[in-house]
Amino acid sequence: QVQLQESGPGLVKPSETLSLTCTVSGGSISSYYWSWIRQPAGKGLEWIGRIYTSGSTNYNPSLKSRVTMSVDTSKNQFSLKLSSVTAADTAVYYCARGLRFGEFDYWGQGTLVTVSS
Amino acid sequence: QSALTQPASVSGSPGQSITISCTGTSSDVGSYNLVSWYQQHPGKAPKLMIYEVSKRPSGVSNRFSGSKSGNTASLTISGLQAEDEADYYCCSYAGSSTLVFGTGTKVTVL
Repeated sequence: QVQLQESGPGLVKPSETLSLTCTVSGGSISSYYWSWIRQPAGKGLEWIGRIYTSGSTNYNPSLKSRVTMSVDTSKNQFSLKLSSVTAADTAVYYCARGLRFGEFDYWGQGTLVTVSS
Repeated sequence: QSALTQPASVSGSPGQSITISCTGTSSDVGSYNLVSWYQQHPGKAPKLMIYEVSKRPSGVSNRFSGSKSGNTASLTISGLQAEDEADYYCCSYAGSSTLVFGTGTKVTVL
């Protein structure tokens, strides 16, 4: 059974960089797309972007200038960096495995990241 | 790239059928058969219920069905059960390798 687990700081200061890692277990990270999706408290889902195991990336245009994703196939991990964060970036961040576009079959449990000084 | 429009809430009695709409544009829902639906219970990660407009993943009840007409996709839940009470989100490919989610619908079982 594939499992995903997000990890990283739960508190980030404004203007700094949010960094999260998703560790995949129970299956190989290879040959899939891996996405980050976030959800502010009480609000809807927002796709942040995705990375293929080759390193190829696609980002949400509204966040593209601040987002960097990377993958480490040797560790079965992929990562998210979001720069210049503000309070508006406070959300639960999920990692997910993608098949066809929009088809996320496995999700992490989510991790709350709060942006505050 | 704006969020797809869903009704804020839909309710029904046990055993009834309900339909949730998801309205996009000719640039997303209307152009691609890559619409998916997710169920999310409070405090939990979303669960894939429908992909490619009308396909059900293994293990998802056949009480859930999807369809699309023009720029609007729909999720129908038949034989409504208490466990179906949750938030539901649609999701569509929006071209140029981007994705957009819906605003979300809270389903209440009366």
